[in-house]
Amino acid sequence: EVQLLESGGALVQPGGSLRLSCAASGFSFINYGMSWVRQAPGKGLEWVSGIRASGYGTYYADSVRGRFTISRDNSKNTLFLEMSSLRGDDTAVYYCAKRTRAEPGYGIDVWGQGTTVTVSS
Amino acid sequence: QSGLTQPPSASGTPGQRVTISCSGSDSNIGDNYVYWYQQVPGTAPKLLIYTDNYNQNQRPSGVPDRFSGSKSGTSASLAISGLRSEDEADYYCAAWDDSLRGEVFGGGTKLTVL
Repeated sequence: EVQLLESGGALVQPGGSLRLSCAASGFSFINYGMSWVRQAPGKGLEWVSGIRASGYGTYYADSVRGRFTISRDNSKNTLFLEMSSLRGDDTAVYYCAKRTRAEPGYGIDVWGQGTTVTVSS
Repeated sequence: QSGLTQPPSASGTPGQRVTISCSGSDSNIGDNYVYWYQQVPGTAPKLLIYTDNYNQNQRPSGVPDRFSGSKSGTSASLAISGLRSEDEADYYCAAWDDSLRGEVFGGGTKLTVL
């Protein structure tokens, strides 16, 4: 069974930093692109960032570019999202997501259960 | 980042057929696959169906064929036939955008089964 398990969500002060992790199992992690998608309270889905299967090639939404960094460790089947200079509008449930192919341009077929990030003083 | 456009709400009675539209542009729907996700409030989204550039549908195992998708030009739609109470959820369309080099989502459509 394909599983994605996020961790690292927390309450953090504005301007702070946080690192999210996503442990993947049940599929060949090295063969698929991955993404992070977030959902603010009561709002819709917002794509945050994506990474190619190889790890070489990363993509960001304008709202997080320069503040967030996506990476992956294919030897440990784990996806990461380093977040810095956090703001109130970064408050959301963050979902780890598996893409249908290695390269960008193709969508998500599996979602994790999400981890909650709250930015507040 | 500009998104796709969906109606905020839709409704139908059990057994009816309901369609949800999704409007985009040449750089997203016009050039790439379109994906539809179902989200029951409080849970993670789930892939329902996706439509390729030949207008062929792919459904994950377990998704009934009551759900069908189509796309034409820069628009797409999701159709649900034989509406059931368990179909009540939020539905999102999504596609890769070649210009933005990122994924764009629709704002979501809340489906109510009356």
